[in-house]
Amino acid sequence: AQTVTQSQPEMSVQEAETVTLSCTYDTSESDYYLFWYKQPPSRQMILVIRQEAYKQQNATENRFSVNFQKAAKSFSLKISDSQLGDAAMYFCATSRLLTGTASKLTFGTGTRLQVTL
Amino acid sequence: GAVVSQHPSRVICKSGTSVKIECRSLDFQATTMFWYRQFPKQSLMLMATSNEGSKATYEQGVEKDKFLINHASLTLSTLTVTSAHPEDSSFYICSAERGGGELFFGEGSRLTVL
Repeated sequence: AQTVTQSQPEMSVQEAETVTLSCTYDTSESDYYLFWYKQPPSRQMILVIRQEAYKQQNATENRFSVNFQKAAKSFSLKISDSQLGDAAMYFCATSRLLTGTASKLTFGTGTRLQVTL
Repeated sequence: GAVVSQHPSRVICKSGTSVKIECRSLDFQATTMFWYRQFPKQSLMLMATSNEGSKATYEQGVEKDKFLINHASLTLSTLTVTSAHPEDSSFYICSAERGGGELFFGEGSRLTVL
């Protein structure tokens, strides 16, 4: 079984500043993926970043980076140079990593990020 | 990037009627699609896994006779909410896997049952 915990229901950041969203997880799998998804007011889920658990190097995508601490089962998201368009609900998720098998996602409860001027 | 389309985006129906929601992968074939339900200000809860050419796999607590899933082709899965009641009102989201753990989500469908 897999669980994902996001302890920050809401966060706020000023434009151009940096913010870190927290996520911890628990899984019995030895191989798995970790994700951060963004859900803007339009409600469509958008993949922000993905990390394979077997990779030690933290994933980065432009202004978005993660701090993956496998032993601590922690997967935080750092957003640098925050922009107004970053305002959204952010979900942390994990899935099993099975070759040739579809991946069922388990989501956290989400963190609502506000970006202020 | 890959596109997954859901239709309709919004639907309002009377209690007791059935509603069908379509999920299409527009530029890739998806042997597996997933259906999620999201209540206001809550997370996405997986309802079922839709497999092309075979029966869907439902999560514990999801009524398979109420939420009928059909995955007739590699690009289309449908969710039918049968005999809908107000408590079925929710936001339904599908996702499709292109392979290698890469998932793409539809725009979601908001169902309101009067």
